[in-house]
Amino acid sequence: QVQLQESGPGLVKASETLSLTCTVSGGSTRNFYWHWIRQPPGKGLEWIAYIYYGRSPNYNPSLTSRVTVSLDTSTNQFSLQLTSVTAADTAVYYCARHPGPGVTDYFDFWGQGALVTVS
Amino acid sequence: QSALTQPRSVSGSPGLSVTISCTGTSSDVISHDYVSWYQQHPGKAPKLMIYDVSERPSGVPDRFSGSRSGNTASLTISGLQAEDEADYYCCSFVTSYTWVFGGGTTVTVL
Repeated sequence: QVQLQESGPGLVKASETLSLTCTVSGGSTRNFYWHWIRQPPGKGLEWIAYIYYGRSPNYNPSLTSRVTVSLDTSTNQFSLQLTSVTAADTAVYYCARHPGPGVTDYFDFWGQGALVTVS
Repeated sequence: QSALTQPRSVSGSPGLSVTISCTGTSSDVISHDYVSWYQQHPGKAPKLMIYDVSERPSGVPDRFSGSRSGNTASLTISGLQAEDEADYYCCSFVTSYTWVFGGGTTVTVL
């Protein structure tokens, strides 16, 4: 069974960089697309970015100037960095797995979520 | 980015049916078959309920069904049960290889 687990600081100061890591177990990160999705408290879901082994990542146009995602298949982890954070970036951040666009479309496995508060 | 519009809330009595709509605001969403639906209970991660408009993953009760007409996708819950009370989000692949979620709908079982 595939499992995803987010980790990283729960508190980030305004104007600094938010960094999170998602550790994947039960499967290889060389397959599938790996996504970051966030949810501000009491609000809806917002797609942030995806990365796939051997390809350039793709980002939400509204965040593209501040977001970087990377993938380390040797540790089966992928990461999110969001620069120049403000209170509006306070959210639960989820990592999720996707089989790849164009054939079918769903996020089937999700991490439990990591609350990041910008102070 | 393209947006998906959902009603803020719907409600129904146990045993009856509710339908949640999800309307795309541009032609690059919903008009294809890459629409999925997620159920989210408070404090929990979203759970996949429907994918590719109308496909149901293994383990999801057949009370949940999906459909699409033009640029509006719908999720129907038949035979409503107490445990169906949750937030539901639609999601669509966008042709620019991005994804967009609807604003979410709270389902209340009366």
